[in-house]
Amino acid sequence: KAGVTQTPRYLIKTRGQQVTLSCSPISGHRSVSWYQQTPGQGLQFLFEYFSETQRNKGNFPGRFSGRQFSNSRSEMNVSTLELGDSALYLCASSQNRASAQQTPLDEQFFGPGTRLTVL
Amino acid sequence: KNQVEQSPQSLIILEGKNCTLQCNYTVSPFSNLRWYKQDTGRGPVSLTIMTFSENTKSNGRYTATLDADTKQSSLHITASQLSDSASYICVVSARLTGGGNKLTFGTGTQLKVEL
Repeated sequence: KAGVTQTPRYLIKTRGQQVTLSCSPISGHRSVSWYQQTPGQGLQFLFEYFSETQRNKGNFPGRFSGRQFSNSRSEMNVSTLELGDSALYLCASSQNRASAQQTPLDEQFFGPGTRLTVL
Repeated sequence: KNQVEQSPQSLIILEGKNCTLQCNYTVSPFSNLRWYKQDTGRGPVSLTIMTFSENTKSNGRYTATLDADTKQSSLHITASQLSDSASYICVVSARLTGGGNKLTFGTGTQLKVEL
């Protein structure tokens, strides 16, 4: 099974621009989560999508948005980029079955990340 | 407030030596705890996952322990290798009543293994 893929792997933008990052989950996985990782803050949760609906959201400003398509692929958009948005953006997928028999493990599999640099 | 604290922040050991990384958490309601290994510039890779009823789990040279009463976990690395140099992240999951999980991440322990 192919792993989680993210595109592009590297991106350089300037302040004020917007950017769209893409994530393709493992086949059969319906949940996609996005994280921002910076050296000082570690991994910070942005949002989670499940079956095309945003299910959970972290404490990020409205400039950060996302969506999920019917094939579970997800995109994340950041508008009006700021210098502080420079980070590694990670996407993770999981099966996250919604049934009552759902395993408590719900392991997340991470992609390689997109390194965003804002100049 | 849900928190996960890891110690030490960084660690340097010689190849072949053992080491233990610590994780203390205040996440509630607890669902499971995971240790991830993250190589520089790569995404995290799962090492172990433990639920409330499990107090130890091994994955090769990695052994994780969990004490749900004291809300502490440790990751023990045996006979370290240069390839163990990475950031080790402790992640604690709380189950949400509306479905899904809320994950709280530690900031990681940066391990460097030297010759």
